[in-house]
Amino acid sequence: GNSVTQMEGPVTLSEEAFLTINCTYTATGYPSLFWYVQYPGEGLQLLLKATKADDKGSNKGFEATYRKETTSFHLEKGSVQVSDSAVYFCALRPDSSYKLIFGSGTRLLVRP
Amino acid sequence: NAGVTQTPKFQVLKTGQSMTLQCAQDMNHNSMYWYRQDPGMGLRLIYYSASEGTTDKGEVPNGYNVSRLNKREFSLRLESAAPSQTSVYFCASSEGNTIYFGEGSWLTVV
Repeated sequence: GNSVTQMEGPVTLSEEAFLTINCTYTATGYPSLFWYVQYPGEGLQLLLKATKADDKGSNKGFEATYRKETTSFHLEKGSVQVSDSAVYFCALRPDSSYKLIFGSGTRLLVRP
Repeated sequence: NAGVTQTPKFQVLKTGQSMTLQCAQDMNHNSMYWYRQDPGMGLRLIYYSASEGTTDKGEVPNGYNVSRLNKREFSLRLESAAPSQTSVYFCASSEGNTIYFGEGSWLTVV
């Protein structure tokens, strides 16, 4: 079946540190891949997406590359800020499906 | 732009009570969804509606019913609330590859 696995949090970093949040997936065919961010007390917001192999999604300094050979979509940022503290969700949308399947989320805490 | 609007934002219910969560989107999207979010479990799909007039079960439909009233509105009903339904509920809509979420409804069943 289709599933998404994320690294468990919380991830605690100092401001300006490099961020990686790992995400791997299981799916048939060619799913679309997403990262969503949830700030405290708010709903989920789309951060970035990639719809085919080797695509790189990017937004607000965050990047993720769709790697079909390793079934991964790791989220990276070169220099995190305190305002990046949030929960990050990796998700996939299978081929020809309306459903979005989420990972369990990774909480990021950035200290000044 | 309102996007996806859901009400109420907070609700406390007693076990056995019923209630309806309302959701409306103003983006003319065909597809709409209801998810629940529980600690350590991410978001799980309760029901979805691919288009007006159709609804389908997701991963965790038991204890819930839905109504796609028209293209804009998709409501979620708890007929007899249970403590296990204490959660944060998110409505969402999509067209193409991107799903947009509402701000969430915090429901506590005591």
